[in-house]
Amino acid sequence: NAGVMQNPRHLVRRRGQEARLRCSPMKGHSHVYWYRQLPEEGLKFMVYLQKENIIDESGMPKERFSAEFPKEGPSILRIQQVVRGDSAAYFCASGRNRGGDTQYFGPGTRLTVL
Amino acid sequence: GENVEQHPSTLSVQEGDSAVIKCTYSDSASNYFPWYKQELGKRPQLIIDIRSNVGEKKDQRIAVTLNKTAKHFSLHITETQPEDSAVYFCAASPDTGSARQLTFGSGTQLTVLP
Repeated sequence: NAGVMQNPRHLVRRRGQEARLRCSPMKGHSHVYWYRQLPEEGLKFMVYLQKENIIDESGMPKERFSAEFPKEGPSILRIQQVVRGDSAAYFCASGRNRGGDTQYFGPGTRLTVL
Repeated sequence: GENVEQHPSTLSVQEGDSAVIKCTYSDSASNYFPWYKQELGKRPQLIIDIRSNVGEKKDQRIAVTLNKTAKHFSLHITETQPEDSAVYFCAASPDTGSARQLTFGSGTQLTVLP
C-alpha cells in the first residue's frame, strides 16, 4: 500500500481559492476511489473512477467538487471556491481491475481552509 | 445504500487482554468486509478482510468472524500490545456491479494500557 502516492500532503487555502489534490495509484491498479475524513470521524466515499471514466460520484457534492482520472497522469480531485467546511483529510485508494478487490490507501492530503 | 454501524466507539483494555469490535451492515448485497487500522495522522492500513464465502479468518493475533444471516461481523485481537492502540474501522462493499466503494463504520478508538 506504500505505492499509492498523494500530493500535496498538506494544503492550506483561503476561502474562495481552488484546491487540487493528486493521487497516483499503485502500479497495475486502474481503479481509484476518493474518500473524505472529517476530524475525528470515519471515512466517507466521494467518487470512484477508472481511467477516463467516472463510475460513481454519488458521494461527491454536486457543487464545487469535480474529479478526473485521465489516460495519462494522476487522478485529480478539484475543489473550487473552498469554504471552511471543506477542511478535512482527503484519502485516495486504488484497486485492481476486478470487483471487490482490496483497496490500498494513500497517505492523504490534509486540506486546511483559512 | 449501505449503512454500517460500529461499536463500541472507544475501548480500553489491559495489555495482554483481548479486544472485540463489532459491526453490522444493512445491504444484503455486501460480501466483502475489510478492517482498517489508522494511527493518528496516518493512512488507513488494511489489517484483515473477509469475503462472504467464509465465516472466519485468522492472521496471527487477529481474527474476523462473519455472520451473513445476521448481517454482522467482528474483529478479535488477542494478546493486545500497546502498539495495537489506534482507531479501527470496519467497512463493507459489494463484490459485483459498479458500486464498489467501501462504506465505513464510524471507528473504534482502541487504547491498550501497559
